Amino acid sequence: AQSVAQPEDQVNVAEGNPLTVKCTYSVSGNPYLFWYVQYPNRGLQFLLKYITGDNLVKGSYGFEAEFNKSQTSFHLKKPSALVSDSALYFCASFSGSARQLTFGSGTQLTVLP
Amino acid sequence: DTGVSQNPRHKITKRGQNVTFRCDPISEHNRLYWYRQTLGQGPEFLTYFQNEAQLEKSRLLSDRFSAERPKGSFSTLEIQRTEQGDSAMYLCASSSSTSVGEQYFGPGTRLTVT
Repeated sequence: AQSVAQPEDQVNVAEGNPLTVKCTYSVSGNPYLFWYVQYPNRGLQFLLKYITGDNLVKGSYGFEAEFNKSQTSFHLKKPSALVSDSALYFCASFSGSARQLTFGSGTQLTVLP
Repeated sequence: DTGVSQNPRHKITKRGQNVTFRCDPISEHNRLYWYRQTLGQGPEFLTYFQNEAQLEKSRLLSDRFSAERPKGSFSTLEIQRTEQGDSAMYLCASSSSTSVGEQYFGPGTRLTVT
């Protein structure tokens, strides 16, 4: 069974500061890991993914994520947060056989001006 | 490309009534997914279509739920004899056959069962 965990329900950060949203995973085989973002009244949007290759993956809107196999983590990062980054962020794993995404419970990011 | 659309956006129904939701995926996508999201939780997988074939169904999809994708284009999700526990946001997503996990989500249909 695949699962991802987001240990923080809420993350607050000041505008201009770096941000990190944490995710740990438990998957069998090679992990396929994703970050999605959900803005109010809008659908989930894909941010970035790790399939294989470099442990640091870059995505949309200046976000990046670091895959760490030894710590089974896939934390989302951004060097300088914007107020407009405030949203609900979901980590997810993908099961190739079942073709489904398994999402974490989400982390509400609030960037304070 | 107008994205994934879902109708209606909101539905309020009384317990015991049947409801049907529609999803129109991105036109060139042959894969379509339904998820359910309750407050404070991430989306939970319900079912998956490749073209018109329903290939995966979650245990969450009780026998009161049925999904179809008759011509491999739009899809419907029907809930019969709704219960208050069915109140949730129902999300539809689509992807291409070459995609590995990158899915495009619609805005969802929020169901409230009173």
